[in-house]
Amino acid sequence: NAGVTQTPKFRVLKTGQSMTLLCAQDMNHEYMYWYRQDPGMGLRLIHYSVGEGTTAKGEVPDGYNVSRLKKQNFLLGLESAAPSQTSVYFCASSSHGGGSETQYFGPGTRLLVL
Amino acid sequence: GENVEQHPSTLSVQEGDSAVIKCTYSDSASNYFPWYKQELGKRPQLIIDIRSNVGEKKDQRIAVTLNKTAKHFSLHITETQPEDSAVYFCAASIGKAAGNKLTFGGGTRVLVKP
Repeated sequence: NAGVTQTPKFRVLKTGQSMTLLCAQDMNHEYMYWYRQDPGMGLRLIHYSVGEGTTAKGEVPDGYNVSRLKKQNFLLGLESAAPSQTSVYFCASSSHGGGSETQYFGPGTRLLVL
Repeated sequence: GENVEQHPSTLSVQEGDSAVIKCTYSDSASNYFPWYKQELGKRPQLIIDIRSNVGEKKDQRIAVTLNKTAKHFSLHITETQPEDSAVYFCAASIGKAAGNKLTFGGGTRVLVKP
């Protein structure tokens, strides 16, 4: 049982390049989330999903797209990377049952945009 | 939307002393309040949480209190140890109605001096 995993762990992009971050969970969770964490700041929600085939915007969605084609996977895409998107990206998942709000985080992806 | 403020941003304590971190939230519909600990370079991990029908919860050296009327909650760490040094984040959620989304505070960097 690996929990929540993320690939890649680290990536360097040039401005304008695109990439996709992959999040996978093996806990059969309905809900999945993408956050970004900037130095000295808390986590800010980018997009989230309440089930396979659904996505919704969070607090800072601009410049990002997401897809949830399979229940266990949640993809975060950057179509044209900008230096402002340099950050650490965390994926998380949670169950949808009552009293099961706990979010479990992946190890993070460190992204540097030059 | 929900806004969570966290104070202080840094906290330095002597080993064995207590540490208190305070958070306020804006949305009276919030009903779930987790606390996460994040060590340097690691993922956030849940250390304790409280729901709105409970005023206080303890787990060994950690306790959380909630004042719904004032819309604030606090984390108390007693008998601090060097391994308690980390960044602590509070968060609030209105639960399943909003996909269990969490709004995080800005974090408190705790340093326990031996």
